[in-house]
Parts: sequence; structure tokens; C-alpha cells
Amino acid sequence: DQQVKQNSPSLSVQEGRISILNCDYTNSMFDYFLWYKKYPAEGPTFLISISSIKDKNEDGRFTVFLNKSAKHLSLHIVPSQPGDSAVYFCAASPFYNQGGKLIFGQGTELSVKP
Amino acid sequence: NAGVTQTPKFQVLKTGQSMTLQCAQDMNHNSMYWYRQDPGMGLRLIYYSASEGTTDKGEVPNGYNVSRLNKREFSLRLESAAPSQTSVYFCASSELQGYTFGSGTRLTVV
Repeated sequence: DQQVKQNSPSLSVQEGRISILNCDYTNSMFDYFLWYKKYPAEGPTFLISISSIKDKNEDGRFTVFLNKSAKHLSLHIVPSQPGDSAVYFCAASPFYNQGGKLIFGQGTELSVKP
Repeated sequence: NAGVTQTPKFQVLKTGQSMTLQCAQDMNHNSMYWYRQDPGMGLRLIYYSASEGTTDKGEVPNGYNVSRLNKREFSLRLESAAPSQTSVYFCASSELQGYTFGSGTRLTVV
């Protein structure tokens, strides 16, 4: 049973426009959420995170929104750049700030076209 | 550069062969993990080690064994490889929530 779901396998946007990547989760015990970015032939790298006490976290062009009642989070990239083309994984953990295993979604491949 | 080092980067095995994937981290992290990445499935946890001397099963442990040799090293062993184990394998380490991944091992079982 997939506890973290990314229902869009791919997304294509024009350079300069907004990219919105979505993620849904089923386990109400999750209280810490992360986004990872992965280029081909490399390991995933941490992008941005949010704890359940917040509904928004911003870091430069990247903003993550959390809607706990809907068990939904989204990653906004504004403006999108060709270098943002990668696979983005959503991840969740029930143990904020205590370490522990992360549960990942299936990933969304973002393509930003010049 | 500090980080997580995985060896080998590529490997082709015949069905039934065995091999060990090596992973080492130099960040003094307590926790280490093995994930596999398959198309449409994302990253699935195989085994993890919360601290030196402990290991636990993840979502997909069947067909694998692990050894936490010391704080730095966490190896993944396939005793009798099967085509279903064709995948890209990632090792990661963490302290609190800061996961650092290795660059992966692409394994093909024929």
C-alpha cells in the first residue's frame, strides 16, 4: 500500500513559468515532509522540507505548501529554469527531528523547456 | 569530498550469483539505509540501520541481507540474484532528518 503518492509521473513547463508538483499521503502520523531532486546517474539530493506545524516553507524559488486536512503537499518552483529538469521525490516521516526512515513517493519527472 | 560512497557503480550478474554492494559514509552519521529505485515505484526501503550494531527490515527485504560492519559501513548482500532484483540501489545515511545519498549502483540480473 503506497503511503506517499505522486500521481503525475511527468510534468512539462515552459521556462519562466510556475511548476507545481503534487504529493498525497495516507498516514496521519506523518509529521515531517521533504522534497528531493534527482538528476540522471546521481543520487537524490535534499531540496526543501516542512514540518506539520507549518503550512508553508519557502527557500528562494522553491516553496512547499502543506494541507494537513487534505493530506496533501505541493512544491512550487517559480520561475522554472531548464536546470530544474529532474525527477522530484516527495518523502514523509512520522518522527520529526528524531531521525528515522523516510517513505518516498514514486517521483515526478519535471521537464522545463527553454 | 565528504559524503556517501557506493561501490560498484555498475554490475551485471547471472541468475543465482551472489554479490555484495558496499557503502561507506564519512559524516559520522548514526543511521544508514538501503533503497532500490524502480520505474513507477519510486524509492523503496530495503533495510536500514538506526545505529551501529542494529539492522531492521524495510518495505522490500526479501532476497537481501545486510551487515552494519561499523559506524561507517553498511553493506547489502544478494545471496542468489534474481531478475526481479534488477534495479538501481541507493545507500543513504542520516543524522536526524538530513539524508545524504550515494550516487547509486545499477545492477542488472540476467
